[in-house]
Amino acid sequence: NAGVTQTPKFQVLKTGQSMTLQCAQDMNHNSMYWYRQDPGMGLRLIYYSASEGTTDKGEVPNGYNVSRLNKREFSLRLESAAPSQTSVYFCASSDRGRESYEQYFGPGTRLTVT
Amino acid sequence: EDKVVQSPLSLVVHEGDTVTLNCSYEVTNFRSLLWYKQEKKAPTFLFMLTSSGIEKKSGRLSSILDKKELFSILNITATQTGDSAVYLCAVEAGGGYNKLIFGAGTRLAVHP
Repeated sequence: NAGVTQTPKFQVLKTGQSMTLQCAQDMNHNSMYWYRQDPGMGLRLIYYSASEGTTDKGEVPNGYNVSRLNKREFSLRLESAAPSQTSVYFCASSDRGRESYEQYFGPGTRLTVT
Repeated sequence: EDKVVQSPLSLVVHEGDTVTLNCSYEVTNFRSLLWYKQEKKAPTFLFMLTSSGIEKKSGRLSSILDKKELFSILNITATQTGDSAVYLCAVEAGGGYNKLIFGAGTRLAVHP
């Protein structure tokens, strides 16, 4: 039982390049999330998917797109990377359908855009 | 606008001290408040609080929620160097999905 996995762990991009961050969970959770974490700002929600086949914008969606490929996988794409997207990205999943429930986080991807 | 504010932003103590971390919130449709511990990597879950006045406890850590005054505290007694981490408070709010709003975190350093 691996929980939430993310690839890659580290990435350096040049301004304007594109890339996709991959996330998978094996807990059969319905909901999945992408966050970014910047120093002194906590975690901010980029996009989320409440269930397979649906995605919605979070607090900071500009410059990103997502795909909920199936129940297990939720990817985040940067079409044209900018230095402002330098951050640590976390994927999370949770069990929708309860009153409220914790989110489980992946190990993170540290992205640097030069 | 929903917001979660944690204080202090950072704290340095010595082993054996007791610390209290604060989290206040203003959100619509409050559902629960969660505490996470973040060391080098992913946040790990500590507590989830939904009801006022009921203390949750795990070893030396405890937490309580006040839904009238809109805050929560996280207490750590007899601190150890292994307690050094960023402690994140998050509030679940809004509609029918598990959307979390995070505070900026409190960075705790415990020195020997």
